Amino acid sequence: GAGVSQSPRYKVAKRGQDVALRCDPISGHVSLFWYQQALGQGPEFLTYFQNEAQLDKSGLPSDRFFAERPEGSVSTLKIQRTQQEDSAVYLCASSFSSGSSEQFFGPGTRLTVL
Amino acid sequence: AQSVSQHNHHVILSEAASLELGCNYSYGGTVNLFWYVQYPGQHLQLLLKYFSEDPLVKGIKGFEAEFIKSKFSFNLRKPSVQWSDTAEYFCAVTMNTGFQKLVFGTGTRLLVSP
Repeated sequence: GAGVSQSPRYKVAKRGQDVALRCDPISGHVSLFWYQQALGQGPEFLTYFQNEAQLDKSGLPSDRFFAERPEGSVSTLKIQRTQQEDSAVYLCASSFSSGSSEQFFGPGTRLTVL
Repeated sequence: AQSVSQHNHHVILSEAASLELGCNYSYGGTVNLFWYVQYPGQHLQLLLKYFSEDPLVKGIKGFEAEFIKSKFSFNLRKPSVQWSDTAEYFCAVTMNTGFQKLVFGTGTRLLVSP
């Protein structure tokens, strides 16, 4: 079956622009995570959804970052007024439940802010 | 806060050499431990996981890892590497409570020369 998909795969933005990154999780997966991976680093947690509820957003670096999952399926990560330090790969992962289950990762969106 | 340390950032081996990648975590409670692999141009995928069963865990492609609780370690091993094992390897941990956000190490780039 289809895995986690993300779009766009690559995004170049000028500093100050708003961007929206989309994640399509595996059908039926309850949990959805966003991670940010800076160059040369491991992924870092941004936010977590259980169905449509955003249960943890402690990893969002600033109030310019906003995520939603209105119908409990597709999720969008929005970054307002992008800055150069926002340049990173943004990874989405989904899992079947909120408990101990494997997270399946998408290919990521590479964001470059000029 | 949880953290994960991977001691080797770059490893170069010849085919058939043995591999051991170090991983230590800091957290006093019960944890779940993971090794993820990212082959060139591909998604992050799960190599193996420890969920409170046998401390010696076997994963795909001949990889194994040993959980040593007293040392807070979860080292990855493979007796004989192949050129196709060239990839980046990430150790990760989740707490065994609540939702399972992954805390990753910085990764180890493995290059296997034919």
